[in-house]
Amino acid sequence: GAVVSQHPSRVICKSGTSVKIECRSLDFQATTMFWYRQFPKQSLMLMATSNEGSKATYEQGVEKDKFLINHASLTLSTLTVTSAHPEDSSFYICSARVLAGANEQFFGPGTRLTVL
Amino acid sequence: AQSVTQPDIHITVSEGASLELRCNYSYGATPYLFWYVQSPGQGLQLLLKYFSGDTLVQGIKGFEAEFKRSQSSFNLRKPSVHWSDAAEYFCAVGGDTGRRALTFGSGTRLQVQP
Repeated sequence: GAVVSQHPSRVICKSGTSVKIECRSLDFQATTMFWYRQFPKQSLMLMATSNEGSKATYEQGVEKDKFLINHASLTLSTLTVTSAHPEDSSFYICSARVLAGANEQFFGPGTRLTVL
Repeated sequence: AQSVTQPDIHITVSEGASLELRCNYSYGATPYLFWYVQSPGQGLQLLLKYFSGDTLVQGIKGFEAEFKRSQSSFNLRKPSVHWSDAAEYFCAVGGDTGRRALTFGSGTRLQVQP
């Protein structure tokens, strides 16, 4: 089956620093990847839709200058949390849509970000 | 706009008992429906999905779900729960264009008593 990886799985950083999270589709090409965040004991909330070769589409309330998304290839999207603050601490999950076929997305294992 | 409601925040069942997790959706066209399971600190695992055809869908780990258009529901069932089924369960809906992200319900936390 389709596999999506995320790196790192866990990261701790100091307030004010930037953190990059990678999302890779390992055995398929993904024109579209999605970034979600999940606060403790809550559901997944869509942050942005990442399309290969074009600018990401951000959901209302998500700061595009804070959460930089780059989808440089059909197998890689990155999310950079800039000038991280403790309130950015969360579980970030990406998903990738298969290039052809029905609306099926495959989720990465998630990245736990803790900002001190 | 699409939305998903999972009315039960927390359910406790005894091991070996049957389980039903409720999910109601709102969507203007034919929905694509999913159930995912998430263990603590882990990512999402797809249990099953409904795109079209037979309204009773079989998934992994002995789970099944039934799509009822008239009730806008997609409830998840399992005839006999195992202790390892304890986790968070999310119902999700997506559009048929494939370009939209999924909309998730708030989740149901399942506890299994020995």
